[in-house]
Amino acid sequence: AQTVTQSQPEMSVQEAETVTLSCTYDTSESDYYLFWYKQPPSRQMILVIRQEAYKQQNATENRFSVNFQKAAKSFSLKISDSQLGDAAMYFCAYRRETSYDKVIFGPGTSLSVIP
Amino acid sequence: NAGVMQNPRHLVRRRGQEARLRCSPMKGHSHVYWYRQLPEEGLKFMVYLQKENIIDESGMPKERFSAEFPKEGPSILRIQQVVRGDSAAYFCASSPRRQITGELFFGEGSRLTVL
Repeated sequence: AQTVTQSQPEMSVQEAETVTLSCTYDTSESDYYLFWYKQPPSRQMILVIRQEAYKQQNATENRFSVNFQKAAKSFSLKISDSQLGDAAMYFCAYRRETSYDKVIFGPGTSLSVIP
Repeated sequence: NAGVMQNPRHLVRRRGQEARLRCSPMKGHSHVYWYRQLPEEGLKFMVYLQKENIIDESGMPKERFSAEFPKEGPSILRIQQVVRGDSAAYFCASSPRRQITGELFFGEGSRLTVL
C-alpha cells in the first residue's frame, strides 16, 4: 500500500526567509502524481504545486518549488521569501496515475511564519 | 464556475442522531471523494463514488456510515447514530471524468460536532 510520510510536525521560518518541508512516500508504481496542499486556518484545502512522476524537471510555482527525487521517493517543498500568509498546515499527497484513484495524504506539517 | 459546494458548513448533533452531509461537485466533474479530518490530524480517505456507483469504500467504517451519489442531485454522506468520536471535519472533493492534472478540487468542508 502507498504511504506518505512527513517527518516534521512543526516548522517555523522568519518572514522573507526560505524554508523546506520534507516528504517521503512509498509506492511500487512508476506513474503517479505528487502534490503539496495548503490548509490555512479557514480549513480550505488549496493546491500549492503538483509534480508528475514522469517529469524529471522540478515543478515551480512563483515562490514555491519542489525537489523531486524519484529514486529516493522524496518530494520536498521549498518556500522562498516566506510571507505571513504562508502560515498554514502543509500536506504532501500522492495519487496513482493509472486509474481514478484516491489521493493519499501525509500527516501534515504546521508552518509558522515569524514577523 | 462554481467550485465544490458542501452543506451544511456546520452541523451539531446529539449522540444517537443522524447526520447527513451533502456535496455538489464542480460542474463537469463526475467523481466524488469524501475525506475525514479529525482534530489535529491529516485527511483520511473514506469513499470514492461516481454517479450511482461506489468505486472504493475501503476507508469507510463498517457500521453507521454510508455514502451515495445519485443520478440526480448531490452526493450524500450519512452517519447514523452518531457518537462523540464522529466529531470531525468532513471534506468532499471532485475530479473530472478525463484526468488531466490529477488533482482533487476540495470543498470548504462540513464540521460535525456531536454533543
